[in-house]
Amino acid sequence: DGGITQSPKYLFRKEGQNVTLSCEQNLNHDAMYWYRQDPGQGLRLIYYSQIVNDFQKGDIAEGYSVSREKKESFPLTVTSAQKNPTAFYLCASSHLSRRMEQPQHFGDGTRLSIL
Amino acid sequence: DAKTTQPPSMDCAEGRAANLPCNHSTISGNEYVYWYRQIHSQGPQYIIHGLKNNETNEMASLIITEDRKSSTLILPHATLRDTAVYYCIVRVASLMKTSYDKVIFGPGTSLSVIP
Repeated sequence: DGGITQSPKYLFRKEGQNVTLSCEQNLNHDAMYWYRQDPGQGLRLIYYSQIVNDFQKGDIAEGYSVSREKKESFPLTVTSAQKNPTAFYLCASSHLSRRMEQPQHFGDGTRLSIL
Repeated sequence: DAKTTQPPSMDCAEGRAANLPCNHSTISGNEYVYWYRQIHSQGPQYIIHGLKNNETNEMASLIITEDRKSSTLILPHATLRDTAVYYCIVRVASLMKTSYDKVIFGPGTSLSVIP
């Protein structure tokens, strides 16, 4: 079945440590996105990518980094510079079209906590 | 980008229709209305979208007012599995292939389906 796979489901980070969240999709989507969700709130965009080897900052990119070496994969690194990383992280992907009406499809998220 | 306003919570009896309202009074002519839902600790699930005509699929119906300033998502026969947070969002349909597909998720409506 086609879909988006995020791993791990739960992740713990020590102070000063970088951690990488995995996101893989087999939907042949061009665009991929990373969002952060805090308790009781909506989603905020961290980074997005519309094509391999290219990505753009979203609204809250500070303290995060990404890469897009393959169409299927868009890993997110939470660096030690991110002072409040505890959150639920969601990866999404979508087709691109000139009319921009393709819905985004989401993975089941990674919950990151600080030790 | 147009903002949306939704009630924070609603209840619905199992088997009855659930009608979830959304106000988007500042919507512009090229913005679509999308609905997603999120079950606890999972990623958002796409439900339906529309521009100005009413839409129906296997999950729900979307009714958009003639002035497009508000819409209603209808779940015709709510079940306990429909208990979730429902998000109404608007997205710009752009003719620029490389334009940024920004999806703004607010806090949504928490729907509780009651036995």
